[in-house]
Amino acid sequence: GAGVSQSPSNKVTEKGKDVELRCDPISGHTALYWYRQSLGQGLEFLIYFQGNSAPDKSGLPSDRFSAERTGGSVSTLTIQRTQQEDSAVYLCASSLTGRNTEAFFGQGTRLTVV
Amino acid sequence: EDKVVQSPLSLVVHEGDTVTLNCSYEVTNFRSLLWYKQEKKAPTFLFMLTSSGIEKKSGRLSSILDKKELSSILNITATQTGDSAIYLCAGASDSWGKFQFGAGTQVVVTP
Repeated sequence: GAGVSQSPSNKVTEKGKDVELRCDPISGHTALYWYRQSLGQGLEFLIYFQGNSAPDKSGLPSDRFSAERTGGSVSTLTIQRTQQEDSAVYLCASSLTGRNTEAFFGQGTRLTVV
Repeated sequence: EDKVVQSPLSLVVHEGDTVTLNCSYEVTNFRSLLWYKQEKKAPTFLFMLTSSGIEKKSGRLSSILDKKELSSILNITATQTGDSAIYLCAGASDSWGKFQFGAGTQVVVTP
């Protein structure tokens, strides 16, 4: 695609429910990143995929968070048993090779847990 | 622990003014520093600075990397209201694939 595509753009969920956020990276990009941004805060790293290598999951805040990337393309971030502190904008980015190449961001998913 | 610190946190200027944003970094095995502009949700890429490219310019925006001082500045000359945004810098390392972002500087340009 022309750019990184994320869906849904907005999601309101009840506390305790599971949610899935989707990211479709730029075609041909081997690296994919998930970040989240709470209100008024900077970007917090969550997880990084590079080609067929094992993902860097060091930023996932708890075991309620997981992500997968199927076929080296589309990625899904899953949050189980959502909590109010999970409310944030979840941003996905992709880059051509992951090293010495800039990352391009999608429009993000605004998650609100009520 | 690796970190990226931006200053100031926010500033308000009048159209036509020049602004200078600062970014200092402590990044193990530093590879590059990136600047992004965030107006709504999606940060948009501005510049990437590396050891082999320490100065970049695009229109009214320019950026310099000071490897000795472990810092970078982003300059915006002749500011316009459309420059109002949060400006983010991020460090990249040869040790890991992620980008380490600073908290950002919010710039407000008033008419």
